[in-house]
Amino acid sequence: EAGVAQSPRYKIIEKRQSVAFWCNPISGHATLYWYQQILGQGPKLLIQFQNNGVVDDSQLPKDRFSAERLKGVDSTLKIQPAKLEDSAVYLCASSSGQGTYGYTFGSGTRLTVV
Amino acid sequence: AQTVTQSQPEMSVQEAETVTLSCTYDTSESDYYLFWYKQPPSRQMILVIRQEAYKQQNATENRFSVNFQKAAKSFSLKISDSQLGDAAMYFCAYRSEDFGNEKLTFGTGTRLTIIP
Repeated sequence: EAGVAQSPRYKIIEKRQSVAFWCNPISGHATLYWYQQILGQGPKLLIQFQNNGVVDDSQLPKDRFSAERLKGVDSTLKIQPAKLEDSAVYLCASSSGQGTYGYTFGSGTRLTVV
Repeated sequence: AQTVTQSQPEMSVQEAETVTLSCTYDTSESDYYLFWYKQPPSRQMILVIRQEAYKQQNATENRFSVNFQKAAKSFSLKISDSQLGDAAMYFCAYRSEDFGNEKLTFGTGTRLTIIP
Protein backbone atom coordinates (compact mmCIF):
# COMPACT_ATOMS: atom_id res chain seq x y z
CA GLU A 1 0.00 0.00 0.00
CA ALA A 2 1.14 3.55 -0.66
CA GLY A 3 2.45 5.44 2.36
CA VAL A 4 1.51 8.80 3.79
CA ALA A 5 2.46 11.49 1.28
CA GLN A 6 3.57 14.95 2.33
CA SER A 7 4.69 18.01 0.43
CA PRO A 8 6.75 20.06 0.18
CA ARG A 9 9.77 18.29 1.59
CA TYR A 10 11.54 21.52 2.50
CA LYS A 11 10.40 25.12 2.86
CA ILE A 12 12.28 28.28 3.77
CA ILE A 13 10.29 31.45 4.47
CA GLU A 14 10.82 34.77 6.17
CA LYS A 15 9.12 35.53 9.46
CA ARG A 16 5.63 36.95 9.13
CA GLN A 17 5.10 35.13 5.83
CA SER A 18 2.54 32.36 5.44
CA VAL A 19 3.11 28.74 4.52
CA ALA A 20 0.99 25.65 3.88
CA PHE A 21 1.74 21.96 4.11
CA TRP A 22 -0.18 19.16 2.43
CA CYS A 23 -0.79 15.58 3.53
CA ASN A 24 -2.42 12.62 1.80
CA PRO A 25 -2.98 9.74 4.25
CA ILE A 26 -3.13 6.05 3.50
CA SER A 27 -6.33 5.21 1.64
CA GLY A 28 -9.10 4.27 4.03
CA HIS A 29 -7.43 5.64 7.15
CA ALA A 30 -10.06 7.63 9.01
CA THR A 31 -7.76 9.28 11.53
CA LEU A 32 -5.14 11.86 10.57
CA TYR A 33 -2.64 13.61 12.82
CA TRP A 34 -0.31 16.58 12.44
CA TYR A 35 2.78 16.62 14.65
CA GLN A 36 5.41 19.32 15.16
CA GLN A 37 8.96 18.12 15.81
CA ILE A 38 11.39 20.80 16.94
CA LEU A 39 15.08 19.92 16.57
CA GLY A 40 16.25 17.74 19.45
CA GLN A 41 12.74 16.99 20.68
CA GLY A 42 10.13 14.31 20.16
CA PRO A 43 7.08 14.97 17.99
CA LYS A 44 4.26 16.93 19.61
CA LEU A 45 0.65 16.52 18.51
CA LEU A 46 -0.85 19.66 16.98
CA ILE A 47 -4.21 18.41 15.73
CA GLN A 48 -6.10 15.16 15.22
CA PHE A 49 -8.90 14.57 12.71
CA GLN A 50 -11.42 11.75 12.66
CA ASN A 51 -12.71 11.72 9.08
CA ASN A 52 -13.24 15.46 8.46
CA GLY A 53 -13.97 16.41 12.07
CA VAL A 54 -11.48 17.73 14.62
CA VAL A 55 -10.99 15.42 17.61
CA ASP A 56 -8.20 17.24 19.43
CA ASP A 57 -6.63 20.61 18.68
CA SER A 58 -5.76 21.57 22.23
CA GLN A 59 -2.07 22.15 21.41
CA LEU A 60 -2.60 24.00 18.14
CA PRO A 61 -1.64 27.71 18.38
CA LYS A 62 -4.90 28.86 16.89
CA ASP A 63 -3.86 32.49 16.55
CA ARG A 64 -1.50 31.51 13.75
CA PHE A 65 -2.05 27.85 12.88
CA SER A 66 -5.04 26.40 11.06
CA ALA A 67 -5.78 23.00 9.58
CA GLU A 68 -8.52 21.42 7.56
CA ARG A 69 -9.36 18.03 6.18
CA LEU A 70 -11.84 18.34 3.39
CA LYS A 71 -13.92 15.29 2.46
CA GLY A 72 -12.12 13.28 5.13
CA VAL A 73 -9.08 12.56 2.96
CA ASP A 74 -6.32 15.12 2.26
CA SER A 75 -5.35 17.68 4.85
CA THR A 76 -3.57 21.02 4.84
CA LEU A 77 -1.82 22.75 7.74
CA LYS A 78 -1.27 26.49 7.46
CA ILE A 79 0.83 28.93 9.44
CA GLN A 80 0.10 32.65 9.14
CA PRO A 81 2.11 34.62 10.11
CA ALA A 82 5.16 32.45 10.76
CA LYS A 83 7.53 33.07 13.67
CA LEU A 84 11.15 32.01 14.10
CA GLU A 85 10.11 29.42 16.71
CA ASP A 86 7.93 27.66 14.12
CA SER A 87 11.08 26.24 12.53
CA ALA A 88 10.57 22.50 12.83
CA VAL A 89 9.67 19.34 10.98
CA TYR A 90 5.93 18.94 10.46
CA LEU A 91 4.91 15.29 10.37
CA CYS A 92 1.62 13.91 9.17
CA ALA A 93 0.43 10.48 10.27
CA SER A 94 -2.66 8.35 9.80
CA SER A 95 -4.26 5.30 11.37
CA SER A 96 -7.15 3.06 10.46
CA GLY A 97 -8.67 2.85 13.88
CA GLN A 98 -7.81 3.88 17.37
CA GLY A 99 -4.07 3.78 16.87
CA THR A 100 -3.52 0.65 18.95
CA TYR A 101 -1.23 -0.64 16.22
CA GLY A 102 0.60 2.66 15.95
CA TYR A 103 0.44 5.26 13.28
CA THR A 104 1.94 5.41 9.77
CA PHE A 105 4.00 8.56 9.31
CA GLY A 106 4.99 10.55 6.28
CA SER A 107 8.50 11.89 5.71
CA GLY A 108 7.58 15.33 6.96
CA THR A 109 8.19 18.89 5.83
CA ARG A 110 11.21 20.70 7.22
CA LEU A 111 10.30 24.35 7.74
CA THR A 112 12.95 26.98 8.29
CA VAL A 113 11.79 30.48 9.25
CA VAL A 114 14.47 33.16 8.83
CA ALA B 1 -0.97 13.99 31.71
CA GLN B 2 1.23 11.15 30.60
CA THR B 3 4.95 11.79 30.27
CA VAL B 4 7.62 9.74 28.53
CA THR B 5 11.28 10.04 29.54
CA GLN B 6 14.30 8.86 27.58
CA SER B 7 17.35 9.58 29.71
CA GLN B 8 19.99 8.68 27.10
CA PRO B 9 20.33 11.45 24.47
CA GLU B 10 23.00 9.44 22.65
CA MET B 11 24.19 5.85 22.58
CA SER B 12 26.78 4.04 20.51
CA VAL B 13 27.44 0.36 19.93
CA GLN B 14 29.91 -1.72 17.99
CA GLU B 15 28.49 -3.43 14.92
CA ALA B 16 27.16 -6.94 15.74
CA GLU B 17 26.96 -6.14 19.47
CA THR B 18 23.85 -5.64 21.60
CA VAL B 19 22.55 -2.30 22.88
CA THR B 20 19.67 -1.36 25.18
CA LEU B 21 17.79 1.93 25.02
CA SER B 22 15.90 3.06 28.11
CA CYS B 23 12.42 4.54 28.46
CA THR B 24 10.26 5.30 31.46
CA TYR B 25 6.76 6.70 31.53
CA ASP B 26 4.26 8.03 33.97
CA THR B 27 0.59 7.01 33.89
CA SER B 28 -2.36 6.18 36.11
CA GLU B 29 -3.97 3.97 33.49
CA SER B 30 -3.87 0.18 33.71
CA ASP B 31 -4.41 -0.64 30.05
CA TYR B 32 -2.35 1.10 27.40
CA TYR B 33 0.04 0.61 24.53
CA LEU B 34 3.72 1.41 24.17
CA PHE B 35 5.76 1.76 21.02
CA TRP B 36 9.31 2.21 19.83
CA TYR B 37 9.78 4.21 16.65
CA LYS B 38 12.92 4.61 14.56
CA GLN B 39 13.58 7.88 12.72
CA PRO B 40 16.43 7.73 10.18
CA PRO B 41 17.73 10.87 8.40
CA SER B 42 14.87 10.51 5.92
CA ARG B 43 12.70 11.76 8.85
CA GLN B 44 10.00 9.13 8.43
CA MET B 45 8.99 7.57 11.74
CA ILE B 46 9.07 3.79 11.37
CA LEU B 47 7.35 1.53 13.89
CA VAL B 48 9.86 -0.91 15.38
CA ILE B 49 7.89 -2.73 18.04
CA ARG B 50 4.63 -2.57 19.99
CA GLN B 51 3.68 -3.71 23.50
CA GLU B 52 0.21 -4.08 24.99
CA ALA B 53 0.27 -3.36 28.72
CA TYR B 54 -2.10 -6.17 29.66
CA LYS B 55 0.24 -8.72 28.10
CA GLN B 56 3.03 -9.74 30.46
CA GLN B 57 5.05 -11.36 27.69
CA ASN B 58 7.69 -9.08 26.23
CA ALA B 59 7.25 -8.28 22.53
CA THR B 60 9.87 -9.44 20.04
CA GLU B 61 10.41 -8.56 16.38
CA ASN B 62 13.42 -10.30 14.89
CA ARG B 63 16.52 -8.58 16.38
CA PHE B 64 14.41 -6.16 18.41
CA SER B 65 12.91 -7.00 21.78
CA VAL B 66 11.59 -5.10 24.76
CA ASN B 67 11.89 -5.45 28.51
CA PHE B 68 8.51 -4.27 29.78
CA GLN B 69 8.33 -3.74 33.55
CA LYS B 70 4.79 -2.53 34.23
CA ALA B 71 5.18 -1.91 37.94
CA ALA B 72 8.34 0.10 37.38
CA LYS B 73 6.79 1.84 34.33
CA SER B 74 9.84 0.94 32.29
CA PHE B 75 9.95 -0.02 28.62
CA SER B 76 13.47 -0.60 27.26
CA LEU B 77 14.42 -1.64 23.73
CA LYS B 78 17.14 -4.20 23.09
CA ILE B 79 18.74 -4.39 19.68
CA SER B 80 20.75 -7.55 19.10
CA ASP B 81 23.40 -8.06 16.41
CA SER B 82 23.45 -4.32 15.66
CA GLN B 83 23.73 -3.38 12.00
CA LEU B 84 24.83 -0.18 10.30
CA GLY B 85 21.25 0.35 9.15
CA ASP B 86 20.10 0.57 12.75
CA ALA B 87 21.73 3.99 13.10
CA ALA B 88 18.90 6.47 13.72
CA MET B 89 16.96 8.37 16.35
CA TYR B 90 14.79 6.09 18.45
CA PHE B 91 11.65 7.37 20.14
CA CYS B 92 9.60 5.73 22.83
CA ALA B 93 5.88 6.53 22.66
CA TYR B 94 2.87 6.02 24.94
CA ARG B 95 -0.66 5.74 23.62
CA SER B 96 -3.24 7.31 25.90
CA GLU B 97 -7.00 7.32 25.57
CA ASP B 98 -9.29 9.77 27.32
CA PHE B 99 -13.04 9.68 26.69
CA GLY B 100 -12.48 8.14 23.29
CA ASN B 101 -9.77 10.61 22.28
CA GLU B 102 -6.44 8.91 21.82
CA LYS B 103 -2.99 10.22 21.09
CA LEU B 104 0.69 9.26 21.12
CA THR B 105 3.06 11.03 23.47
CA PHE B 106 6.73 10.78 22.54
CA GLY B 107 9.93 10.95 24.52
CA THR B 108 12.81 13.19 23.49
CA GLY B 109 14.62 10.42 21.66
CA THR B 110 17.97 8.61 21.73
CA ARG B 111 20.44 8.98 18.89
CA LEU B 112 22.00 5.57 18.18
CA THR B 113 25.36 5.39 16.42
CA ILE B 114 26.71 2.10 15.07
CA ILE B 115 30.50 1.82 15.07
CA PRO B 116 31.83 -0.34 12.20
